[in-house]
Amino acid sequence: ELKVEQNPLFLSMQEGKNYTIYCNYSTTSDRLYWYRQDPGKSLESLFVLLSNGAVKQEGRLMASLDTKARLSTLHITAAVHDLSATYFCAVVVASGTYKYIFGTGTRLKVLA
Amino acid sequence: DSGVTQTPKHLITATGQRVTLRCSPRSGDLSVYWYQQSLDQGLQFLIQYYNGEERAKGNILERFSAQQFPDLHSELNLSSLELGDSALYFCASSVAQGAVYEQFFGPGTRLTVL
Repeated sequence: ELKVEQNPLFLSMQEGKNYTIYCNYSTTSDRLYWYRQDPGKSLESLFVLLSNGAVKQEGRLMASLDTKARLSTLHITAAVHDLSATYFCAVVVASGTYKYIFGTGTRLKVLA
Repeated sequence: DSGVTQTPKHLITATGQRVTLRCSPRSGDLSVYWYQQSLDQGLQFLIQYYNGEERAKGNILERFSAQQFPDLHSELNLSSLELGDSALYFCASSVAQGAVYEQFFGPGTRLTVL
């Protein structure tokens, strides 16, 4: 069974601190998405990672992909309150056709 | 605003009924995806269409069907509704069909089955 696991599920952190969200997946994939979802809102695409070793950065967020370890990380640098949201990773699996498997999500709360 | 529109925003219906959810992709996008988000199942990919043809299939129930029309809008049909079908249904669009393109999500349709 294909599994995408995120940890932690919940994260409460102080403003100004750094932290990393982990996304582990159980099958071969070299394509991974990160999304942000605010409460009651839709999903916003953050990063598309397309190859082993890919690293992308936008503001205080940086995502990386290690396809050999089947692991992606989303690193938060000097967190601010506006980053409070739920973050999802999604793995793309090609098995005859494409399937998009989402992680459980990490609910991040940044405390002022 | 992603440029993807979905109607209706909210839908309340009874078990056993059938509903149709509508999605208009961003201008120029040929690919449409449907997702279901519920507390029980989390986010689930349902189905993808590209330029009118089905391209990928996820955990879509047999009671559900979708299509993409020549003007590229898409409809998701849910029939014989059950309580467990209550969820947020999102559509997303991207410019092409490969799994390398950023997807832009619509605001969602909240379906409540009573």
